[in-house]
Amino acid sequence: DAEITQSPRHKITETGRQVTLACHQTWNHNNMFWYRQDLGHGLRLIHYSYGVQDTNKGEVSDGYSVSRSNTEDLPLTLESAASSQTSVYFCASSENLGGTQYFGPGTRLLVL
Amino acid sequence: DAKTTQPPSMDCAEGRAANLPCNHSTISGNEYVYWYRQIHSQGPQYIIHGLKNNETNEMASLIITEDRKSSTLILPHATLRDTAVYYCIVERASGTYKYIFGTGTRLKVLA
Repeated sequence: DAEITQSPRHKITETGRQVTLACHQTWNHNNMFWYRQDLGHGLRLIHYSYGVQDTNKGEVSDGYSVSRSNTEDLPLTLESAASSQTSVYFCASSENLGGTQYFGPGTRLLVL
Repeated sequence: DAKTTQPPSMDCAEGRAANLPCNHSTISGNEYVYWYRQIHSQGPQYIIHGLKNNETNEMASLIITEDRKSSTLILPHATLRDTAVYYCIVERASGTYKYIFGTGTRLKVLA
């Protein structure tokens, strides 16, 4: 069955370090998204991609970057981790631009 | 961009219908209403969506008012496994893409 996976599921890092969170989907979806979830804020869109070589900033993109070199993967990089980036990160994909999104299980990131 | 307003929490007796309201008074004509739910800390799960007409699937029904300023998600026979946070989202399908999650409604189904 097609699925979307995230790794690692849990990560502890120190401020200033570069961190990359992986997202891999086997749906062959063109559209992929990264969200963060914090208490009291629901989910907020960080970056999204409509296809290979396409990336776009979302609502809370500062301090984050993504690259899309193939259809299946959209890694999220924190260039220099900050304590404010402690959060749960969810990746999602969709077949159509405006359509149902399928979410991964999430990555819990703690920045000390 | 259209925002949504939902009550922070609701209780529902097991076996009864759960009616979850959502206000989206600033919705535009090309914006869809989507509902997702999140059980514990899992990734959100799609439930249903609609533009103008009422919709029904195996999980739920979506009732959208004629002026499209509000909607109601109906779980016809709630079970304990329906305990979750339910998000009502307005999605713009053209122009600048934005999928705005609010803080949702925490539904607790009581035995």
